[in-house]
Amino acid sequence: NAGVTQTPKFRILKIGQSMTLQCTQDMNHNYMYWYRQDPGMGLKLIYYSVGAGITDKGEVPNGYNVSRSTTEDFPLRLELAAPSQTSVYFCASSYPRTGTYRSMNTEAFFGQGTRLTVV
Amino acid sequence: AQSVTQPDIHITVSEGASLELRCNYSYGATPYLFWYVQSPGQGLQLLLKYFSGDTLVQGIKGFEAEFKRSQSSFNLRKPSVHWSDAAEYFCAVGAPSGGSYIPTFGRGTSLIVHP
Repeated sequence: NAGVTQTPKFRILKIGQSMTLQCTQDMNHNYMYWYRQDPGMGLKLIYYSVGAGITDKGEVPNGYNVSRSTTEDFPLRLELAAPSQTSVYFCASSYPRTGTYRSMNTEAFFGQGTRLTVV
Repeated sequence: AQSVTQPDIHITVSEGASLELRCNYSYGATPYLFWYVQSPGQGLQLLLKYFSGDTLVQGIKGFEAEFKRSQSSFNLRKPSVHWSDAAEYFCAVGAPSGGSYIPTFGRGTSLIVHP
């Protein structure tokens, strides 16, 4: 059981380049998230998805794009890399429930992260 | 929208001493609450979670946390800290918002353990 897998683990980009951070999960979770982590700032939500074909902006979406064509995959795209996007990126997934099934909620499972440097 | 406050950026304890990390949340109803730990260069690992029921929750590695609705708190405790507990600790709150479930994280508390 691999859980949440992110690739690559490390990447250096030049300003203006583009790249896609890959994320896949094998737990059949309907919710997936992208966070960025900066020192002393905790985790900030970039985008999230509640199911295939549905995505929405989080707290810091500017400069990023996402897609969710399958339940398993949730790639994050950087179109024009900027130094401000130097960060550690985490993908996560969960299966939330409400009401009667509240106790069956899963927590968010995280990938190992991608350390991105833009120079 | 929900929010989380971890008032302590750094906590330093001696090995064998007790530990309490503070977490306060803001949400109108009963939230889902979590504590995660992050070792250097690693992803986040769940320590424990609270969804409903008993307000004292036991987690892995000897940690526990208590949900106190009156204080909007979910503090993490450990009776005796080990050197391997040195890490970054994150409190998170999740709550339905417009039909979506979005975990919101605090900024983290860095735990330093002295021998």
